Formats: sequence, C-alpha cells, structure tokens
Amino acid sequence: KNQVEQSPQSLIILEGKNCTLQCNYTVSPFSNLRWYKQDTGRGPVSLTIMTFSENTKSNGRYTATLDADTKQSSLHITASQLSDSASYICVVSLPPGNNRLAFGKGNQVVVIP
Amino acid sequence: NAGVTQTPKFRVLKTGQSMTLLCAQDMNHEYMYWYRQDPGMGLRLIHYSVGEGTTAKGEVPDGYNVSRLKKQNFLLGLESAAPSQTSVYFCASRPPGLGANEQFFGPGTRLTVL
Repeated sequence: KNQVEQSPQSLIILEGKNCTLQCNYTVSPFSNLRWYKQDTGRGPVSLTIMTFSENTKSNGRYTATLDADTKQSSLHITASQLSDSASYICVVSLPPGNNRLAFGKGNQVVVIP
Repeated sequence: NAGVTQTPKFRVLKTGQSMTLLCAQDMNHEYMYWYRQDPGMGLRLIHYSVGEGTTAKGEVPDGYNVSRLKKQNFLLGLESAAPSQTSVYFCASRPPGLGANEQFFGPGTRLTVL
C-alpha cells in the first residue's frame, strides 16, 4: 500500500565521495515531488521540489532528478560532508486538490571521515 | 521570525493521562498539520487545518483531537494516552497556493506513554 518506496534503506559513505538515493512512487497523477533532509532529532527541511514537468533540480551539492514516465526520482549528493549525515525523505503530493502527502520511509545516510 | 515552534519538546505520560501539544507559527500560514513519525515508517498525517476555526481528519486521527482557535496556533490533544501513541510528533504549516509540498516543519515533540 506504501505509495513511496525508497532505497537503499541506509548506507555509509566516506567523506568526499558521491552517493545516489532512489525513490519510486505509485502516486499518479501528482503535483510535485520533494526531497527533505531530516537531521537526527530535528524536523524535516526541504531540499528540492519538482513539478511533474521538471526533470532536474539542484540545491548546492544536492541534485534531484525526476522521471515521471517511470515514476522514479533520485537524489545525488556530491562530495559528501559529515554534515550530510541525515535521513533523506522523498515526498509526493497526492492528486491535485488533495491536501495530503505521501512520505517515503527515508534513506539513512551516514558519512564517515 | 521563529518559524514553526512546538511545545513541549519531550513528555512522558502514564496510560490514561491527557495532554495537549502546542504548535505555533509566525509566518501567517493558513494551513497547519500534525504528523507522527514512528521508527521504520514514513510520517503519517493525524489532523490538519486549512484555516482558523476549521479542522479535518488525516490518515491516523483516532485517539487525537485538534483545535485551531487562532490562525497561528494548532493544538493536538490526547484525551486518554495509550502506549501506541508513543511517537515523535511534528507540526507543519504552509501558505495556500504553493502546492501541497511546500510545508515547513517544527522541531518535533517526543512523547513516551508508559
């Protein structure tokens, strides 16, 4: 029933390396897809937002892509830093007019020196 | 501009006790939301409000009540707490017209029910 699936569930990467997080969704149609970053003990903070007509959006070292045909999105982190250690949550808005969101369970990223 | 704030940050209750969680936002947002976040699960919507004096049920409303008497405040009440309500609760707000995803989250309230 989960409408947003994320993989991998968790990963450990070395500082300075790149990584890519995946999000597959079944919501259709949708208004937009957003990636949030959630630090431990904090609330989620928005990184990027894309409408169905956009296929890429960047925010500093974070780049999100969207393929509306295959219903897949990815978040690429370039030159990771220790501060990138967090959970990254993929969020899809439910059909237009609906005030609700479908949240993924998150990708837990740990960056080690 | 404090954004979205939540009170308290932590709370421990005994089964059957009641409490109210307060969410306040100073961004003049129309829409406000209450979510719960449990280990291994995505955030789930409890209740939401599209304006002062209005509330609506979300995905998991049972055992909770809400009130939006003032535009800047959204209260979440637990009348008789149960261990299943042990969770981290997040409040969020957004202005109308920017799309459902444009939400700003508070820092969370960690609630334990014994």
